[in-house]
Amino acid sequence: EPEVTQTPSHQVTQMGQEVILRCVPISNHLYFYWYRQILGQKVEFLVSFYNNEISEKSEIFDDQFSVERPDGSNFTLKIRSTKLEDSAMYFCASRLTVSGNTIYFGEGSWLTVV
Amino acid sequence: GNSVTQMEGPVTLSEEAFLTINCTYTATGYPSLFWYVQYPGEGLQLLLKATKADDKGSNKGFEATYRKETTSFHLEKGSVQVSDSAVYFCALSGANAGNMLTFGGGTRLMVKP
Repeated sequence: EPEVTQTPSHQVTQMGQEVILRCVPISNHLYFYWYRQILGQKVEFLVSFYNNEISEKSEIFDDQFSVERPDGSNFTLKIRSTKLEDSAMYFCASRLTVSGNTIYFGEGSWLTVV
Repeated sequence: GNSVTQMEGPVTLSEEAFLTINCTYTATGYPSLFWYVQYPGEGLQLLLKATKADDKGSNKGFEATYRKETTSFHLEKGSVQVSDSAVYFCALSGANAGNMLTFGGGTRLMVKP
């Protein structure tokens, strides 16, 4: 079964450093998402991406975050200058079309900011 | 805006017990409803879904029925196993652009032998 893959599975970074989390969505999917889950808390929406642009973003997704689809397969989340509170599991997800279809999640990337 | 409320955990049951995890939602229009499961150390996996009122989603012995009149999507299983121990998330996907998921807070289920 096709799946969303994410790398790295775990990254430890120093506060203030830039981090890039990578995702390969399911190949024929058109909508891409990033979510995050701070340890023990709710899964929160960050951003959705369609047709090479952001279609929606949450209040969490401020200027230190950016997303990019640099080629036909990868979808990246960049955090420009990490803060301690950015420590979380980051999930990439993809979806074939907008309505009615399932969103498929990757296994997540654990980010620890020290 | 959209929101999902689910019962707080942890829920602790003995093997073969009956499980109910309550989930209610607030949304405009006609959302699709989902249950996702997160096993220890793993990502989110879709457990089941329902896309319109009165639909019943089912998978691996779990069921949930989309009740528009009570805005609910309660998860049930007749006989839980130790391997069902996980965190369960109720979620909805609205009809807005991007159709992102809005999650409930998650309910941890612990099944003891």
